[in-house]
Amino acid sequence: DAGVIQSPRHEVTEMGQEVTLRCKPISGHDYLFWYRQTMMRGLELLIYFNNNVPIDDSGMPEDRFSAKMPNASFSTLKIQPSEPRDSAVYFCASSLGVVAGVEPLHFGNGTRLTVT
Amino acid sequence: AQKVTQAQTEISVVEKEDVTLDCVYETRDTTYYLFWYKQPPSGELVFLIRRNSFDEQNEISGRYSWNFQKSTSSFNFTITASQVVDSAVYFCALSEGPNDYKLSFGAGTTVTVRA
Repeated sequence: DAGVIQSPRHEVTEMGQEVTLRCKPISGHDYLFWYRQTMMRGLELLIYFNNNVPIDDSGMPEDRFSAKMPNASFSTLKIQPSEPRDSAVYFCASSLGVVAGVEPLHFGNGTRLTVT
Repeated sequence: AQKVTQAQTEISVVEKEDVTLDCVYETRDTTYYLFWYKQPPSGELVFLIRRNSFDEQNEISGRYSWNFQKSTSSFNFTITASQVVDSAVYFCALSEGPNDYKLSFGAGTTVTVRA
């Protein structure tokens, strides 16, 4: 299995620009999660999907952030307009949900976003 | 309120020493799941173990072992005979309730193993 695939690995952009992060979950996983990691706040959940439907977006910091999952094999996280405080590592993860109990999340390698 | 507390920010040991990472959690649910993840310097998050609230048996996997104690709400992780490759940030995480799929992570403990 290829694992969760995220692109790009690194993104450097200027304040005010639109940023789109991409994620391909593990095939067969019904749940997809977007997390953000910063030194100050650690790992925080932004949003998660079940069967392509957003279930909980309470962690999305502002209206500048939006996420979509148009099909089972692709999701995007968009920031428009970007700000320097959005600089972080963004992780996508996928999961089977509940099989024999709550299944672990499998993470991608992350996208390191730098907004100047 | 912080649901998962990893009080140790950093631990530094010499190779072959044992190291124990503490994790204290807080939940009102009777059914919950605890996880440990490893984040090596390369940055990816690697799943290590899952434990459900009804299984208090300790687990050993090679040099790794986990001690789950509901009485103290702790799920501690020990690396025996540490190696340089164990240098990483280790995260403890909690999933509350039988159908809660999202994980709440602790702040992480940075382990540095010196040769």
